[in-house]
Amino acid sequence: AQTVTQSQPEMSVQEAETVTLSCTYDTSENNYYLFWYKQPPSRQMILVIRQEAYKQQNATENRFSVNFQKAAKSFSLKISDSQLGDTAMYFCAFMKHGGSQGNLIFGKGTKLSVKP
Amino acid sequence: DTEVTQTPKHLVMGMTNKKSLKCEQHMGHRAMYWYKQKAKKPPELMFVYSYEKLSINESVPSRFSPECPNSSLLNLHLHALQPEDSALYLCASSQGDRVEKLLFGSGTQLSVL
Repeated sequence: AQTVTQSQPEMSVQEAETVTLSCTYDTSENNYYLFWYKQPPSRQMILVIRQEAYKQQNATENRFSVNFQKAAKSFSLKISDSQLGDTAMYFCAFMKHGGSQGNLIFGKGTKLSVKP
Repeated sequence: DTEVTQTPKHLVMGMTNKKSLKCEQHMGHRAMYWYKQKAKKPPELMFVYSYEKLSINESVPSRFSPECPNSSLLNLHLHALQPEDSALYLCASSQGDRVEKLLFGSGTQLSVL
């Protein structure tokens, strides 16, 4: 069975600074997807970034980038130039390639507060 | 239209009531999902519809009854719920063969009294 662990329940960062959220996972699969989702107070789950396990290059989306270490089963999210609107709960998630549809395995989340 | 729309946004119901949650998308997605999210917890998958047919039921109690009347609409019928069923109910959709591109709605916050 797959598991996803986020070891930081809460973090805070000053506006304009950089913060890194940690995520580790456990799986015996070789092909899978990893995700970071953001859930602001509005409660909508918003995809921040997606990484396909077979791609060695780390995914980036504007101010968001990941450090994907497949051998170490680590998938951290770096947020650069933090903005007040980045305040949210961040969930790391795993999905097996070719597995059951929609079966995202989520971590417990990290609550990020961006302070002015 | 590139979003998943859920109604109502908030719902309060008694344990003897019958109510329905609605989810709609007009992106041509052929897979639709219901997730349940308790407070301060991650979402958990409840049901998956693929091409309007129920493909996954994650051992959800029968007081939750999903329905997919067409490719754009997904309902969740609620009956005889318990207070512990209070949660945020999230709908999501994806193209049939691109399950890694889930798009979530804003959810319905349900309170059962």
